[in-house]
Amino acid sequence: KQEVTQIPAALSVPEGENLVLNCSFTDSAIYNLQWFRQDPGKGLTSLLLIQSSQREQTSGRLNASLDKSSGRSTLYIAASQPGDSATYLCAVRMDSSYKLIFGSGTRLLVRP
Amino acid sequence: GAVVSQHPSWVICKSGTSVKIECRSLDFQATTMFWYRQFPKQSLMLMATSNEGSKATYEQGVEKDKFLINHASLTLSTLTVTSAHPEDSSFYICSARDWTSGSVYEQFFGPGTRLTVL
Repeated sequence: KQEVTQIPAALSVPEGENLVLNCSFTDSAIYNLQWFRQDPGKGLTSLLLIQSSQREQTSGRLNASLDKSSGRSTLYIAASQPGDSATYLCAVRMDSSYKLIFGSGTRLLVRP
Repeated sequence: GAVVSQHPSWVICKSGTSVKIECRSLDFQATTMFWYRQFPKQSLMLMATSNEGSKATYEQGVEKDKFLINHASLTLSTLTVTSAHPEDSSFYICSARDWTSGSVYEQFFGPGTRLTVL
């Protein structure tokens, strides 16, 4: 059974810092991996999707990497801003279906 | 972008009563909607997949007679928690897939409904 773990559970950093969020999964036979952002009172927003054949994806200040063989992904946020404060969720798909298996998230606070 | 709404945003009910949560796609048609449950500091767990005009598919361990799902139109799915108990208190989130989307992975999530059963 696939399990997705995110470390740390919470993180507080001063504005401007570069930071890394970690995601690990027990079954390396994933189809793809997706990073989401969850804001209170709002739905999840998809940030980046990495196919199993890819090593990384970039969008603006965000860079997600995937090391499928070791069961790890990282989300790198450059020059963090208070608006980046949210819960970041990592989720994997095991096949081409829509089904997502989520980690429990990292709550990020960027202090002004 | 596509918007998914949920109503109510929060609800408190007495043990033994039933609660209905609505999930609507506001500006697109959704042939498929998903219902998730999230306990505090835990992962979102998929409960069921709802297809318009057909019966929902429930994940292992989810009681279909307790969590009734109806997807009667392309813009509305409802989740009814029957005979709710305190252990059903959770955050319920729906998502919807835009059937016209070229990406099979694109799901749009609602803001969630906080259910508290006393």
